[in-house]
Amino acid sequence: EAQVTQNPRYLITVTGKKLTVTCSQNMNHEYMSWYRQDPGLGLRQIYYSMNVEVTDKGDVPEGYKVSRKEKRNFPLILESPSPNQTSLYFCASSSRRQGARATNEKLFFGSGTQLSVL
Amino acid sequence: GQQVMQIPQYQHVQEGEDFTTYCNSSTTLSNIQWYKQRPGGHPVFLIQLVKSGEVKKQKRLTFQFGEAKKNSSLHITATQTTDVGTYFCAGLNAGGTSYGKLTFGQGTILTVHP
Repeated sequence: EAQVTQNPRYLITVTGKKLTVTCSQNMNHEYMSWYRQDPGLGLRQIYYSMNVEVTDKGDVPEGYKVSRKEKRNFPLILESPSPNQTSLYFCASSSRRQGARATNEKLFFGSGTQLSVL
Repeated sequence: GQQVMQIPQYQHVQEGEDFTTYCNSSTTLSNIQWYKQRPGGHPVFLIQLVKSGEVKKQKRLTFQFGEAKKNSSLHITATQTTDVGTYFCAGLNAGGTSYGKLTFGQGTILTVHP
């Protein structure tokens, strides 16, 4: 079954304790992205990756890191979490339409990670 | 940078009433996608519109893309309790260095009262 798998589903941590949220997709998608969802603000992009070893900042990258060593995995790292990073996080992936005007096809989302930083 | 504004933020309707959410972009879009997120769930792709003035239907849902490719709407006819959720538009930027960048609107939370 085609899917995007995120872990953990829920996470409660304390300020400053490094954590990693994993994301894996089995659809051989080139494009992967992380979003955070907060009430009234919709989905805001944190980081994205066009392909292996290619990552770039989204709209709200401060306090986050990512890596793309393999095509299927795109972990989100919070080196020193703070309470303002309490949020619902989604990983998503899509294939890419190639060519001079390359663009993304539809996004497939993971089930989400509800993070609370105390 | 590109901004995508979506209104209203909340909409409460009685079952059987119609519902519309609107999406406006500050820049011309290449295309626009719509997603639905059920309560406690994740966003799920509904449709993509590409052509200027395009109208697409999915059963009781009608999607429109404006002539200038800067706005879009989703209309649900005769809402049902299964329509409850948050509806997001997501615009793909048409030009410049941000070509292909997807920006989400804030979402419209739809509540349907039986």
